[in-house]
Amino acid sequence: GENVEQHPSTLSVQEGDSAVIKCTYSDSASNYFPWYKQELGKGPQLIIDIRSNVGEKKDQRIAVTLNKTAKHFSLHITETQPEDSAVYFCAARRGLTTDSWGKLQFGAGTQVVVTP
Amino acid sequence: AAGVIQSPRHLIKEKRETATLKCYPIPRHDTVYWYQQGPGQDPQFLISFYEKMQSDKGSIPDRFSAQQFSDYHSELNMSSLELGDSALYFCASTPRGASYEQYFGPGTRLTVT
Repeated sequence: GENVEQHPSTLSVQEGDSAVIKCTYSDSASNYFPWYKQELGKGPQLIIDIRSNVGEKKDQRIAVTLNKTAKHFSLHITETQPEDSAVYFCAARRGLTTDSWGKLQFGAGTQVVVTP
Repeated sequence: AAGVIQSPRHLIKEKRETATLKCYPIPRHDTVYWYQQGPGQDPQFLISFYEKMQSDKGSIPDRFSAQQFSDYHSELNMSSLELGDSALYFCASTPRGASYEQYFGPGTRLTVT
């Protein structure tokens, strides 16, 4: 099955600096890669996603890049703010098949702390 | 905007008891996923339903069962609860059509004592 590795496990940045989180996946059939932000006591919030036919996607201060050949994808947060502090999860998903109906395989998570 | 609704938000049960968790997907979403998240861990897929039929199964114990009803809400039934079942249980839903996005609910925190 799919295996997703995520690094680093913790990331401390100064407000205004950039943060980068990296993930690798093992299943070449994976074609969808979302990123979730989870605050304490809350459900994961989808913040950005990318499909395998795209190399990069940007939404304001957040961007995701995908390298299909190397099987890795990254989350970039620019101009970080204290409210960006949370746990961030990457995930991977195969295309819909009879035995893999869109379940997400998550990375272990990155605790991001933005200090003022 | 409407979000996924889960009830109850908190549940305390004793060992060997049963629990039922409910999930109400976003309107016009037809696929529901259940995930379990232990303390400090990532969410682990349990089971999913598409158009009221089970579509995929993950690491769900035999003591657990689930179904999706005609109004698309789903229930996760957990029997013979064990201490290790204590976790956050999330439901996520996906819009109709060939959509990829999964939107998560706020979760149910289950504590087994």
